[in-house]
Amino acid sequence: KNQVEQSPQSLIILEGKNCTLQCNYTVSPFSNLRWYKQDTGRGPVSLTIMTFSENTKSNGRYTATLDADTKQSSLHITASQLSDSASYICVVSDGTGGGNKLTFGTGTQLKVEL
Amino acid sequence: NAGVMQNPRHLVRRRGQEARLRCSPMKGHSHVYWYRQLPEEGLKFMVYLQKENIIDESGMPKERFSAEFPKEGPSILRIQQVVRGDSAAYFCASSPPQQGAVGNQPQHFGDGTRLSIL
Repeated sequence: KNQVEQSPQSLIILEGKNCTLQCNYTVSPFSNLRWYKQDTGRGPVSLTIMTFSENTKSNGRYTATLDADTKQSSLHITASQLSDSASYICVVSDGTGGGNKLTFGTGTQLKVEL
Repeated sequence: NAGVMQNPRHLVRRRGQEARLRCSPMKGHSHVYWYRQLPEEGLKFMVYLQKENIIDESGMPKERFSAEFPKEGPSILRIQQVVRGDSAAYFCASSPPQQGAVGNQPQHFGDGTRLSIL
C-alpha cells in the first residue's frame, strides 16, 4: 500500500528562523514528489515538483531535496515569515492513473510566531 | 486568470438528501481530479476525469457517489442519499493536457467545498 509519512506533525518557530520538514514515502513505482502549502480553509498550492533524476529544487525561500534511494525528501524554509504559517504537505505520484494519481501525507502544521 | 473555481464553498444537507459539488477547471485545463479530506487526515484521491471520460475512479465509493465532466460546463461530483460519514472537505484540482513526461503535470487546486451532514 502506498504511504507518505511526514514529520514533525507540528512545529512552532520564531519569525526569521529556518526550519526543515521531513517526508518518507513507500510509493511504487515512483514518478515524482511534490510539496504543497495549504493555508487554513484554502486549497493546496504547489511549491515544487521533483522527478527521479532531480535531487534539489528551489522556489524562493523554499528548497526541497529528494533522495530516491532512501525514499526521503525534505523541505527547507529559510528566513521564515508569519505568512509561512500553514500546513505543508508531501505528495507522491506513482505514475498510475494516467500518471496523475497522487498519494498525500497528512502534513506538517507550521506556526511562525513573533 | 481565474483559478479552479468550486461551488458552493459550504453545503449543508440532511441525511438522505443529495449533494452536488461543482468544479470549473482553469482555462485550458482538460483534466479534473476530485479529492476528499477528512478532519486530521490527508487528501484522498477519488476520481480522475477528462472531458466526457472517467479515466480512473478507483478511489470513489462504489455506491452513492458519481462524477462527470461534460463537454460543456463544470465537473460535477454527486453524492446521493448522504450519510454523516460523508461530511468532509471535497477538493477539485485541474491540470493542462499532457506535456513531456507522463505524470509530471502540476495540479492546481480549488479552495474546496465543505460538506456538512446534519
